[in-house]
Parts: sequence; structure tokens; C-alpha cells
Amino acid sequence: QKEVEQDPGPLSVPEGAIVSLNCTYSNSAFQYFMWYRQYSRKGPELLMYTYSSGNKEDGRFTAQVDKSSKYISLFIRDSQPSDSATYLCAALNSGYSTLTFGKGTMLLVSP
Amino acid sequence: EAQVTQNPRYLITVTGKKLTVTCSQNMNHEYMSWYRQDPGLGLRQIYYSMNVEVTDKGDVPEGYKVSRKEKRNFPLILESPSPNQTSLYFCASSPLGGRSNTEAFFGQGTRLTVV
Repeated sequence: QKEVEQDPGPLSVPEGAIVSLNCTYSNSAFQYFMWYRQYSRKGPELLMYTYSSGNKEDGRFTAQVDKSSKYISLFIRDSQPSDSATYLCAALNSGYSTLTFGKGTMLLVSP
Repeated sequence: EAQVTQNPRYLITVTGKKLTVTCSQNMNHEYMSWYRQDPGLGLRQIYYSMNVEVTDKGDVPEGYKVSRKEKRNFPLILESPSPNQTSLYFCASSPLGGRSNTEAFFGQGTRLTVV
């Protein structure tokens, strides 16, 4: 079993929709949880991170972690066509340096 | 501008012909790593380095070599490439320690085709 699981999609939504992207993980030692965004033919870039359980908001984006259920979520409000990309969740054990990535979910936002 | 630079961006080669993909970062990061990205398999780590002269295997190291002689450079070497190494490769760097590792800076990628 991969340590971070993510539905590959694609997920297609109309412009303005609320998008929910999700991951599950199996390693209880993970402390940091990240969302990376990857546009086509580009390298991933960090969108936001969360430490332990809780929520974090940045503009239209909200990251949520529930450590009791080992569930990671990213919500995008008022989605835009420019949000069309692959979203990768990742996790990090504070004692180590290696990021563990999910396989990524492709999001398509149509005008 | 903070960046990770990979070269070449695109490469087509033949089976068995040794090649090197270069990676350089200008952020004085201690940690550097190489990933390959394949459809349905996601990002998989090949090798990583926590500092100069310190390298270690990731999840899929077979068929690859790396070296870290300088802090800024971390080349990926394929001594005898095979078609199953056809993939999109990314180099990444980050500072070491705690939450610093959450932000890995990725290069633009190298698309390698081995025929």
C-alpha cells in the first residue's frame, strides 16, 4: 500500500464551482501535509502546507487535515479555468527530509 | 531569482548510451533530490542528497547514479539507459530541517526518451 493515496481523476467542474480534492495516508508519523500544483509541462510548486491537524486558508484555497482519520483535503472556492492543473498532496515526517507524494489529481475547470 | 535549473529539457537517446542530466540550484539548499514522474505512478524519488558528498537511494534507484561534489549541483547519470527509463525527470531542492522541507523547489523537468 502506497503511503499517500490520491484519486487520479480527472475531475471536471464548471467555472465558479467549489472543488474538493482529497488524499488519505497510512503513516501516523507524518506531521506536515502539503498541496503542490503542477501545470502541464511544468514542475510542481508548493501551494500551501499544514502542520498536524486543522485548517489553513489562503485566498480561495483551504487545506484541511484530520489526523484521526488520516485524511487530507484541499478546497478551492470560486474555481477558475486557471486552476486547471494536477494537484499533488504530499506528507512529511518531521524527523526526515523525504516528501511522500500522492499520484496527483487532474482538475479541469471549464469556462 | 530563486530557481532550480535542469538541462537538457528534452532528450532522445539510444539504449546503452551513457547520459547525464544536470541540475543546479542557486538557493544554497542542503537537500537535493531526483524524481521520475510516470502516468499512473506519480512522482517517485530516485536519489537524494542531504549535503555535499552525502547521497542515498530513494524508492527507484536501479539504473541511476548521482554525485554531489558541490552544494549547488546534483547531476543524474544513466550509465546504460534502457527504454523503461523513458520518463519525465524532476530535480528538486529544499532547505533542511522541520517545516523547511515542506517547500521543495522543482526544476522544469527533463523529458527523456530511450529508444
